[in-house]
Amino acid sequence: KAGVTQTPRYLIKTRGQQVTLSCSPISGHRSVSWYQQTPGQGLQFLFEYFSETQRNKGNFPGRFSGRQFSNSRSEMNVSTLELGDSALYLCASSMGQPQETQYFGPGTRLLVL
Amino acid sequence: GNSVTQMEGPVTLSEEAFLTINCTYTATGYPSLFWYVQYPGEGLQLLLKATKADDKGSNKGFEATYRKETTSFHLEKGSVQVSDSAVYFCALSDSSNDYKLSFGAGTTVTVRA
Repeated sequence: KAGVTQTPRYLIKTRGQQVTLSCSPISGHRSVSWYQQTPGQGLQFLFEYFSETQRNKGNFPGRFSGRQFSNSRSEMNVSTLELGDSALYLCASSMGQPQETQYFGPGTRLLVL
Repeated sequence: GNSVTQMEGPVTLSEEAFLTINCTYTATGYPSLFWYVQYPGEGLQLLLKATKADDKGSNKGFEATYRKETTSFHLEKGSVQVSDSAVYFCALSDSSNDYKLSFGAGTTVTVRA
């Protein structure tokens, strides 16, 4: 079974721009969660989508948004980029049941200049 | 709320040495506990997990036992290899937090030949 894939792997943007990241979950998985990883804040939960609906949300500003498509693929969008948005963005997929293991993709490394 | 505290690194060891990484947690309910590993330039991989008290998770020579009385989930390996050099994250998932993963800060382990 193919693992979680994320595109692109690397991205460079400038302040004020917007960016869209993509995540394809493991086949059959219906839940996709997004995390931000930075040296200062560590791993922080952004949001989770299940069956095309946002089911959980972390404490991030409204500039961070996402969506999920009927094939469970998910996109994350960040508008009006700030320098502090530079991070590794990880997505994880699971079947969506409580306390189930989440499987992570390789991440998208975003650099904001 | 939920939180995970890991021993601070970095940890540097010689090959075949014994590795312990301490992890303690605070949770409202009865969490599932996980250890994830992140190799340089990659995403997170599940190393092992335990879903109830006294469960022992094990994989690739690593072990961790869910200790409810001490709220701990320490990671151990009896004989490390250079290939074990990575960042290790302790995490928990709990109903009180809608099963979102809460991560520790991560412990960087370097194994020298």
